[in-house]
Amino acid sequence: AQTVTQSQPEMSVQEAETVTLSCTYDTSESDYYLFWYKQPPSRQMILVIRQEAYKQQNATENRFSVNFQKAAKSFSLKISDSQLGDAAMYFCAYRSSNSGYALNFGKGTSLLVTP
Amino acid sequence: DTGVSQNPRHKITKRGQNVTFRCDPISEHNRLYWYRQTLGQGPEFLTYFQNEAQLEKSRLLSDRFSAERPKGSFSTLEIQRTEQGDSAMYLCATDSTRRGGGTEAFFGQGTRLTVV
Repeated sequence: AQTVTQSQPEMSVQEAETVTLSCTYDTSESDYYLFWYKQPPSRQMILVIRQEAYKQQNATENRFSVNFQKAAKSFSLKISDSQLGDAAMYFCAYRSSNSGYALNFGKGTSLLVTP
Repeated sequence: DTGVSQNPRHKITKRGQNVTFRCDPISEHNRLYWYRQTLGQGPEFLTYFQNEAQLEKSRLLSDRFSAERPKGSFSTLEIQRTEQGDSAMYLCATDSTRRGGGTEAFFGQGTRLTVV
């Protein structure tokens, strides 16, 4: 089974600064999908950004971008110009393209944004 | 459409009782997933449906757990003879096969179960 590791239980960033959240994963597959989901306190999880493994170009969504290193099995999330509303739990997730469509999540990183 | 809806939002039950949760998906989504999330952990997959067919079950889904999705619309997750270890947030997510594996899964707000 694929495993997803988020080694930073908590991170802190000042408003307007940049922060990078780390994620590594273990797989023997060559084709798969990677996601970052955000879970604000007491609210539902929402998609931040996604990356197809066959694409070499790193995905970008406004202030959010990823650094996808396929050989290293690394998928970090960079948040630029951090805002107070970015405070949340962030989960990295893996989805196989071969067997089922369930998401395998890491344990999450709690992001605190300070004024 | 207002998104994925889960009911109830909170449930407190005594150990040994049965509980049932409901998930109403986004109408055009044919895949539906149940996850369990305990404090400080990421969601863990329980089971998934494509239309009315239950296609995959995790080993976490013990024989006390059963899920249904009659007619491929809403889904229910039942836990029989609840144990304190069942206390968790139960999340439902849905998406569509039309966009393949990279499609975004939409999550409900979850049902928080507390077994006392």
